[in-house]
Amino acid sequence: KAGVTQTPRYLIKTRGQQVTLSCSPISGHRSVSWYQQTPGQGLQFLFEYFSETQRNKGNFPGRFSGRQFSNSRSEMNVSTLELGDSALYLCASSRLELEQETQYFGPGTRLLVL
Amino acid sequence: AQTVTQSQPEMSVQEAETVTLSCTYDTSESDYYLFWYKQPPSRQMILVIRQEAYKQQNATENRFSVNFQKAAKSFSLKISDSQLGDAAMYFCAYRGGFGNEKLTFGTGTRLTIIP
Repeated sequence: KAGVTQTPRYLIKTRGQQVTLSCSPISGHRSVSWYQQTPGQGLQFLFEYFSETQRNKGNFPGRFSGRQFSNSRSEMNVSTLELGDSALYLCASSRLELEQETQYFGPGTRLLVL
Repeated sequence: AQTVTQSQPEMSVQEAETVTLSCTYDTSESDYYLFWYKQPPSRQMILVIRQEAYKQQNATENRFSVNFQKAAKSFSLKISDSQLGDAAMYFCAYRGGFGNEKLTFGTGTRLTIIP
């Protein structure tokens, strides 16, 4: 079974631009979560989607948004990029069933904002 | 809010020896899950082991085992017969009850394996 895939793997943007990252979960997984990883702040939860609905949201500004499609694929968008948005963005999926709650991570998208 | 603390930024161990990584957490919930993930230089986050809080038995996965002390809110990872491929950042993570998918991570422990 294929793992979680994320595209693109690397991105370079300039301040003020916007960016869209994509995540395809493992087949059969209905929940998708996003995390930001930086050297200074570590791993921080951005948001989680299930059945096209955002169920949980972390403490990030409104410039960070996401959505989930009917096939469970998810996208996250960052508008008006700032230098501090440079990070590794990780997507994780889970089946959301009892005894199957483990989140499995994709390889990440490395975003550099210049 | 839940917090996860990993007090060992770096650890090293001789190949084939045993090492224990520490993790403590704080929560007021009674139903939760704990995980150890490893992140090698490739940055791919890989699940090592998980523990359900309602289970008293410590989880084991091959050379990896945990010491789960619920009352002390402690969740340490023991790696036996350490191998070069075990070199990575190890993150302890907490997740609330069923339906709450938010993972709260510790700051990580960098494990070095000495040949």
